[in-house]
Amino acid sequence: DAKTTQPPSMDCAEGRAANLPCNHSTISGNEYVYWYRQIHSQGPQYIIHGLKNNETNEMASLIITEDRKSSTLILPHATLRDTAVYYCIVRVIFGNEKLTFGTGTRLTIIP
Amino acid sequence: SAVISQKPSRDICQRGTSLTIQCQVDSQVTMMFWYRQQPGQSLTLIATANQGSEATYESGFVIDKFPISRPNLTFSTLTVSNMSPEDSSIYLCSVLQGETDTQYFGPGTRLTVL
Repeated sequence: DAKTTQPPSMDCAEGRAANLPCNHSTISGNEYVYWYRQIHSQGPQYIIHGLKNNETNEMASLIITEDRKSSTLILPHATLRDTAVYYCIVRVIFGNEKLTFGTGTRLTIIP
Repeated sequence: SAVISQKPSRDICQRGTSLTIQCQVDSQVTMMFWYRQQPGQSLTLIATANQGSEATYESGFVIDKFPISRPNLTFSTLTVSNMSPEDSSIYLCSVLQGETDTQYFGPGTRLTVL
């Protein structure tokens, strides 16, 4: 059963911020939100994860709503190399739980 | 993060044959996973492989078709047996590592069965 809902596709202009939404209305209190991306059939690349606080690293920012039912991944200055399928996944941490992938959002960066 | 390599990176095989895919990790990990990604589809977990125990297969995948070895904490193999064109997919190795319990992926093996 899908635990997350993402739009199937999005476009973003190069140099602009790309904001990718994810709904996870049935998230449990001990489940984290993870984001991965897959660039043209390469292995998925870990981007960021969080529990309830906003998180930022060198790749992206993760904004989680106060009720934790949705989140947004922000790529601050999108480049053509950010064109990929982005997956939002919820997962219990330290529970030996493997990642279950949905269909993700295909993000296309437009020159 | 873990550095994961897979061999071969791609192969073209005849139906009825078998192919063994290798996964090597640069550090010791307890849990390793094998995923399949069919053309145009998302990733599907085949099995979980822990060192020293039998692999645990997901629904729809069986040991006779996808035997797995896990001889040590840095290495695993997945064999795709008696292949048919429906087995044409990307096969991905993944490990669980780190203080944050994050899952990392290898580059994948692209298999085409004729």
